[in-house]
Amino acid sequence: AQSVAQPEDQVNVAEGNPLTVKCTYSVSGNPYLFWYVQYPNRGLQFLLKYITGDNLVKGSYGFEAEFNKSQTSFHLKKPSALVSDSALYFCAVRDGPTGGYNKLIFGAGTRLAVHP
Amino acid sequence: EAGVAQSPRYKIIEKRQSVAFWCNPISGHATLYWYQQILGQGPKLLIQFQNNGVVDDSQLPKDRFSAERLKGVDSTLKIQPAKLEDSAVYLCASSKGSLDLYGYTFGSGTRLTVV
Repeated sequence: AQSVAQPEDQVNVAEGNPLTVKCTYSVSGNPYLFWYVQYPNRGLQFLLKYITGDNLVKGSYGFEAEFNKSQTSFHLKKPSALVSDSALYFCAVRDGPTGGYNKLIFGAGTRLAVHP
Repeated sequence: EAGVAQSPRYKIIEKRQSVAFWCNPISGHATLYWYQQILGQGPKLLIQFQNNGVVDDSQLPKDRFSAERLKGVDSTLKIQPAKLEDSAVYLCASSKGSLDLYGYTFGSGTRLTVV
């Protein structure tokens, strides 16, 4: 079965510094990977996805993610963190056959805290 | 376009009571999902609909949970009777088509507290 792991419960970073939120995956076949963000009392919002192509994927709010097949990782990054980036971040992988019924399997989440 | 609407936003019930949640997906979205998000965990899929048919309910505790999607649009999720461990946020999401292309759009969720 497809799965993702987020090894860090929380990441702390100072405003203006680069940030990385880690995600590793375990899939059979080609991975289809996603990042979502959740602000307090809100639903999850889509940030970016990797389906195929360039290993560096650019997404919303200045975030990007690097797909690394050899390390089975899909880490979320941002060059300069903002206090407003503080939120809960979820990595997810598509589960199901291409062209069939699919769903997303989510990691446990990583809380990002950006300090002024 | 309007987002995924869910109601109520919050609900507090006693154990063994019943509760229902409602979801209105984005117009035209054929696929609808209900996820359970327990505090400190990632969302877990409960049930997936394609139009008004169930395509995956393998993780739905069917002895107490039920869901329907009348006419392939709105959906309700019911818990009867509720247990303390059902305290969670229940998220509804919909998708226009292929996840590869469109991903999900989530509603704001219903926070259930069972006391």
